[in-house]
Amino acid sequence: DADVTQTPRNRITKTGKRIMLECSQTKGHDRMYWYRQDPGLGLRLIYYSFDVKDINKGEISDGYSVSRQAQAKFSLSLESAIPNQTALYFCATSDLVQGRPGELFFGEGSRLTVL
Amino acid sequence: SQQGEEDPQALSIQEGENATMNCSYKTSINNLQWYRQNSGRGLVHLILIRSNEREKHSGRLRVTLDTSKKSSSLLITASRAADTASYFCATDEDGTASKLTFGTGTRLQVTL
Repeated sequence: DADVTQTPRNRITKTGKRIMLECSQTKGHDRMYWYRQDPGLGLRLIYYSFDVKDINKGEISDGYSVSRQAQAKFSLSLESAIPNQTALYFCATSDLVQGRPGELFFGEGSRLTVL
Repeated sequence: SQQGEEDPQALSIQEGENATMNCSYKTSINNLQWYRQNSGRGLVHLILIRSNEREKHSGRLRVTLDTSKKSSSLLITASRAADTASYFCATDEDGTASKLTFGTGTRLQVTL
């Protein structure tokens, strides 16, 4: 089984619908992240969490919310999806190495299309 | 905003040749990491280099870091068709919470 699992892998929805992307991990890491990837723009950080009680906004958090239900689970919600949220979404986890982020472990991605 | 910018945006070489990708960044860093992404797949970590290191090797990969120029390079020697992928640098910015900021990536095509 994959260390970081994202569901769904693909989703097509309509403008205005609420969408939840889920992420679960078996790495035992405290740190979890949600990134968005658009062609030519690399990955941009949406939200990140350092433990169950710690949630932080990234550079593009508007229009998104997150929930850290447990150490192993971190979900991303789009309350009212819009077409420019069409993108590939990645969940990632990491441990700390000497107090700083170490290697990120990524899920396989959730491709979201908003019509 | 993007912290790192890779150069070139795209690179096409023949199998057996070396591939060099560069990453420039804007602020002081604690470490810099390189990742690989096969088309539409999750990113895979390649190598991490700390701000007090200048060079690191892993198999056919060689990474250099020049903090005075705020730049890093990734060299893949004796490239193979299986090296075809996008490569991203990611920086852990000094003075910020422990998170990584990714560059825009270099698309590498290795042809037979």
